[in-house]
Amino acid sequence: DAGVTQSPTHLIKTRGQQVTLRCSPKSGHDTVSWYQQALGQGPQFIFQYYEEEERQRGNFPDRFSGHQFPNYSSELNVNALLLGDSALYLCASSLGQGFSGNTIYFGEGSWLTVV
Amino acid sequence: AQSVTQPDIHITVSEGASLELRCNYSYGATPYLFWYVQSPGQGLQLLLKYFSGDTLVQGIKGFEAEFKRSQSSFNLRKPSVHWSDAAEYFCAVVSYSSASKIIFGSGTRLSIRP
Repeated sequence: DAGVTQSPTHLIKTRGQQVTLRCSPKSGHDTVSWYQQALGQGPQFIFQYYEEEERQRGNFPDRFSGHQFPNYSSELNVNALLLGDSALYLCASSLGQGFSGNTIYFGEGSWLTVV
Repeated sequence: AQSVTQPDIHITVSEGASLELRCNYSYGATPYLFWYVQSPGQGLQLLLKYFSGDTLVQGIKGFEAEFKRSQSSFNLRKPSVHWSDAAEYFCAVVSYSSASKIIFGSGTRLSIRP
């Protein structure tokens, strides 16, 4: 049973470019959340997708957007990249929109470096 | 606003010694609390969680944590650390304003002295 898978694992982009990160949730999970983890910090919640809609959003600008597909996989898009967007982007999968006590599983993340 | 504080940025302990990592939270109700571990270049692995009931929670890899409401604390402990425990440890709480959002502390980096 595959866990949460993310791609790519590492990428380098130039300021002003756009990036797309991908996530496949754990089998049986229908909810995907995205987190940004800057170096030396804890993860920060970006947004959550459930039933192909953005349900909750953290304190991130509109440059950060996402999508969820019918198979529950998800994409995170970041436009007009800034140096400060360099971080590890983590995908978390769970069952159901709200917190029900079920374990939330994290992927190994995508390392984004903006130069 | 809810928050999680991990006052120790970096801790070094000798292999075989006991360990306690501190976590304090700010929360308006009974919190759902977690400890996660992150090895270098890896994602987050759940060590243990507290929702209700017994305030001493057992986790994987020999870790335990104790919920103390009066102190707003959820400290992580291990009686004898192994070199493989070297990693970053994060305390976290589920946001009561958004049940899908987890609020993380800034982490404590654990180093093991041979």
